[in-house]
Amino acid sequence: DTGVSQDPRHKITKRGQNVTFRCDPISEHNRLYWYRQTLGQGPEFLTYFQNEAQLEKSRLLSDRFSAERPKGSFSTLEIQRTEQGDSAMYLCASSLVVNSYNEQFFGPGTRLTVL
Amino acid sequence: GQNIDQPTEMTATEGAIVQINCTYQTSGFNGLFWYQQHAGEAPTFLSYNVLDGLEEKGRFSSFLSRSKGYSYLLLKELQMKDSASYLCAVRPYYNQGGKLIFGQGTELSVKP
Repeated sequence: DTGVSQDPRHKITKRGQNVTFRCDPISEHNRLYWYRQTLGQGPEFLTYFQNEAQLEKSRLLSDRFSAERPKGSFSTLEIQRTEQGDSAMYLCASSLVVNSYNEQFFGPGTRLTVL
Repeated sequence: GQNIDQPTEMTATEGAIVQINCTYQTSGFNGLFWYQQHAGEAPTFLSYNVLDGLEEKGRFSSFLSRSKGYSYLLLKELQMKDSASYLCAVRPYYNQGGKLIFGQGTELSVKP
């Protein structure tokens, strides 16, 4: 296993279309996180899962955003009716809750451009 | 509210030492992380502090003062490959895991 993977790496879509991103975490990791990052800013938390349970969602996450982790392995993030303001890098991270570090390992991200 | 501040940009010379500061005001505190992010790549973990003091890891050290809401990352013997964005992040909740609150990142340029 080489780390967290995300697909696709780049997505260009027109405003109003729906998009879905996939994240495959490190295989034994039980926590999975989604963040959004815009140019010149740090990552901004969106939501996270422990196994298949979604434990927290940011208040910034509108109803157009939904995330799932159906079997506690991979996760999908869907954005409905995309807007130009959704253009950003969407980062996925995973971690294993066994010690105080609980270090999050990040994937390469999916860069979304909404035209 | 949650607020994490770090300088936007810094420039340093190859072989020198640079200190990147981070101040935070968060609803809780259960650890501070430093990540390195090269342009177009994923953030990678550098260091973790939860108790006051200095943690050293090769050329990188990180310091924390919880009473002052302050941390710094110290990079020694700078190399050109250290040119990157350095992200300070706080984990606000007591329970293990949970979200990280990131600062905007400090873009470090290392010059020859």
